Amino acid sequence: GESVGLHLPTLSVQEGDNSIINCAYSNSASDYFIWYKQESGKGPQFIIDIRSNMDKRQGQRVTVLLNKTVKHLSLQIAATQPGDSAVYFCAENPYNFNKFYFGSGTKLNVKP
Amino acid sequence: KAGVTQTPRYLIKTRGQQVTLSCSPISGHRSVSWYQQTPGQGLQFLFEYFSETQRNKGNFPGRFSGRQFSNSRSEMNVSTLELGDSALYLCASSSDPGNTIYFGEGSWLTVV
Repeated sequence: GESVGLHLPTLSVQEGDNSIINCAYSNSASDYFIWYKQESGKGPQFIIDIRSNMDKRQGQRVTVLLNKTVKHLSLQIAATQPGDSAVYFCAENPYNFNKFYFGSGTKLNVKP
Repeated sequence: KAGVTQTPRYLIKTRGQQVTLSCSPISGHRSVSWYQQTPGQGLQFLFEYFSETQRNKGNFPGRFSGRQFSNSRSEMNVSTLELGDSALYLCASSSDPGNTIYFGEGSWLTVV
């Protein structure tokens, strides 16, 4: 099966700092990637996505970087806030169905 | 626009029973997929429906089944429940397969 992994299971940052969450994926055929945020007791919430024809995509306070050479994805959160505390998942889609492969998740703790 | 709606949110079943979970996708979305989330296995794909047809199925036993109706609403059924079926069951919808999937809040199933 596919493998999407995260390098750091837990990340603690100070409020106001920038956060970087990393993800490695295994299928070089994957052409669509999504980052999700999941708060306790809730379903995953879409943050930002990127297709394989792009290297970088920016949203509001978030940036996703894609390095296809080393099959690496990262999520950058600027000026991290307490409300950003959650588990973050990356997901890859190699087959153009809605069968996404999810990483194990990184827990982001934002210290006030 | 209303998000993905899942019912029931919480339920407790006894081993050996069966359960049916319901999902209403975002208005206009035609593709529905289901995922199981557990602490040990993370988010795992169950199946995907589009135009009332199952397009893809994950690696789950035949006790897990689903269907989609003409209005795109979907149900999933788990028969002969086992303790290991205790999980958060998430429904996601997209406008078309291969596009961004948006999750509902999930149905928490506890099997005792």
